[in-house]
Amino acid sequence: NAGVTQTPKFQVLKTGQSMTLQCAQDMNHEYMSWYRQDPGMGLRLIHYSVGAGITDQGEVPNGYNVSRSTTEDFPLRLLSAAPSQTSVYFCASSPRGGTNEKLFFGSGTQLSVL
Amino acid sequence: SQKIEQNSEALNIQEGKTATLTCNYTNYSPAYLQWYRQDPGRGPVFLLLIRENEKEKRKERLKVTFDTTLKQSLFHITASQPADSATYLCALDMSHRDDKIIFGKGTRLHILP
Repeated sequence: NAGVTQTPKFQVLKTGQSMTLQCAQDMNHEYMSWYRQDPGMGLRLIHYSVGAGITDQGEVPNGYNVSRSTTEDFPLRLLSAAPSQTSVYFCASSPRGGTNEKLFFGSGTQLSVL
Repeated sequence: SQKIEQNSEALNIQEGKTATLTCNYTNYSPAYLQWYRQDPGRGPVFLLLIRENEKEKRKERLKVTFDTTLKQSLFHITASQPADSATYLCALDMSHRDDKIIFGKGTRLHILP
């Protein structure tokens, strides 16, 4: 089982460039989410989705867009990258709605914005 | 907004002793409170979940307690081993309110041989 797959693993951008971080899960999970992790800040929720066609904002949504056209995929878009978006990004998924509510995490994308 | 505090940034425990980590929150009690382990360079891995109507949960050497009056969860690792050294994250699952799952900053646990 692949679980939650994130690509790329590493990325360097220049200020103002755009890019999409990819996230795919093969567990048929309804719930997916994006977090960023900075030293001393823990994991902060960017956006989340409870199912295809539904997205909502988390704690730190500014500068990021998401869409959920399929159950499997939940891409995160940076429209105009800023140095403040240098971070490690984690995608996670969960079955939700049942007795097993835990999050399954991808291995992360390390993004540097110069 | 909901705030989560984990007792300390780092905790050093002698091998064989019990490690106790604290998670405090403000405002609303979560539907579930979850604990995760994170090793350097890796994504968090789920350990235990406790529901708002449960007081205690155990899994092997791990024990979690949940006190909604104190707005606190304690996470215990008994007979600690150097392999338990990692960062431990507390998460509040607010599925009964807005479906957000929010995390504390984590506690780095070092088990000293």
